[in-house]
Amino acid sequence: GAGVSQSPSNKVTEKGKDVELRCDPISGHTALYWYRQSLGQGLEFLIYFQGNSAPDKSGLPSDRFSAERTGGSVSTLTIQRTQQEDSAVYLCASRRTTWTGAYGYTFGSGTRLTVV
Amino acid sequence: KQEVTQIPAALSVPEGENLVLNCSFTDSAIYNLQWFRQDPGKGLTSLLLIQSSQREQTSGRLNASLDKSSGRSTLYIAASQPGDSATYLCAAPSHTGANSKLTFGKGITLSVRP
Repeated sequence: GAGVSQSPSNKVTEKGKDVELRCDPISGHTALYWYRQSLGQGLEFLIYFQGNSAPDKSGLPSDRFSAERTGGSVSTLTIQRTQQEDSAVYLCASRRTTWTGAYGYTFGSGTRLTVV
Repeated sequence: KQEVTQIPAALSVPEGENLVLNCSFTDSAIYNLQWFRQDPGKGLTSLLLIQSSQREQTSGRLNASLDKSSGRSTLYIAASQPGDSATYLCAAPSHTGANSKLTFGKGITLSVRP
């Protein structure tokens, strides 16, 4: 597609429920990243997928968080047993990768998650 | 570990003023640096990407420079307009490698007064 697409744009869920957030990257972009932006905070790295390599999960805050990327394209971020501190905007980005760093990130519009 | 700092956190200027937004980073072994704009409640829009082999990039009224040796980048906005009001974020790779994840500064919230 023309840009990075995220769905849903807004999600309100009850504490303790599981949620799934979807990211559809730009076609041909092999790298996909998830970030989280809490109110008044900076962007926090969560997870990174690069082609067929094992994902970099070093930013996931707890084992309640997981993500997968199927067929090297669409990615789903799953949060189990949501807590109020999970409320944030979840941003996905994709990138065309090279050895020169000639291409930057393209971000989606984000999913605003509210846990009540 | 890469750290990115943007100071001040907020800036208010009258319309028409030229201004400079500063960004500093601790690890200079970077392939590139990227500036983004974020409007309230929105995602990030890429403004400029500067590769390490370049010293600056220009897009319209925006000009970004990169000085790896000093760990600094600046975003210059010429003839500011109220529509430029937004948060501006600087991001540098977290570690060596062309495809590293990014570390972001906390951003500078710019308000341009009519």
